[in-house]
Amino acid sequence: QSVLTQPPSVSGPPGQRVTISCTGSSSNIGAYADVHWYQQIPGTAPKLLIFGNNNRPSGVPDRFSGSKSGTSASLAITGLQAEDEAYYYCQSYDYSLNVVIFGGGTKLTVL
Amino acid sequence: QVQLQESGPGLVKPPETLSLKCTVSGGSISSGGYSWGWIRQSPGEGLESIGYISSSTVTYYHPSLKSRVAISLDRSKNQFSLKLTSSTAADTAMYYCVRVDVGPYTPHFDSWGRGTPVTVSS
Repeated sequence: QSVLTQPPSVSGPPGQRVTISCTGSSSNIGAYADVHWYQQIPGTAPKLLIFGNNNRPSGVPDRFSGSKSGTSASLAITGLQAEDEAYYYCQSYDYSLNVVIFGGGTKLTVL
Repeated sequence: QVQLQESGPGLVKPPETLSLKCTVSGGSISSGGYSWGWIRQSPGEGLESIGYISSSTVTYYHPSLKSRVAISLDRSKNQFSLKLTSSTAADTAMYYCVRVDVGPYTPHFDSWGRGTPVTVSS
């Protein structure tokens, strides 16, 4: 069971906007730990999508954005495309456990 | 652009030591600003950060693995290594080597190798 909770799956048609939530606690996201997001296409390694809550690495389209509030964070994807179909993971740090933590992952299906 | 490539045996007999290497190209493991680490992914446990090492050899290990894990640097080969002792079936996973950005934000993993599958079985 992951310390960060994500919905197992989300879906939407092409062109739609979807959001993926990541819920933590007062010892991680709520303690101002930054949240990072990764995209993993099946059969490949995860790729950094968002770092520091809302920053995109070079090359990541601006259709992807991150936000954080309280003990939760969200990844938003606008203008959904077939190539966005993948697993998405949030990641942070827990100051009580002194450990890097990941969410369990969310499978995005483009209908 | 930095690239990472894992290497090592795909099958380990319990309770032998699981040993993997990661070769880095396009960047030096001795330059500051980044650490170098390992993440594993198994169907049952998801993604787990095993640990990482800085260019000055300061290490961070996952508390649950700390007694069994060692990560080291080989500057002459621009490589870093993972050793996990007393392996069990629970260590069966895809292992990724990663570059760790430990800058102004909490640690995150900005470059990944392709991964290498490791099965622990007799």
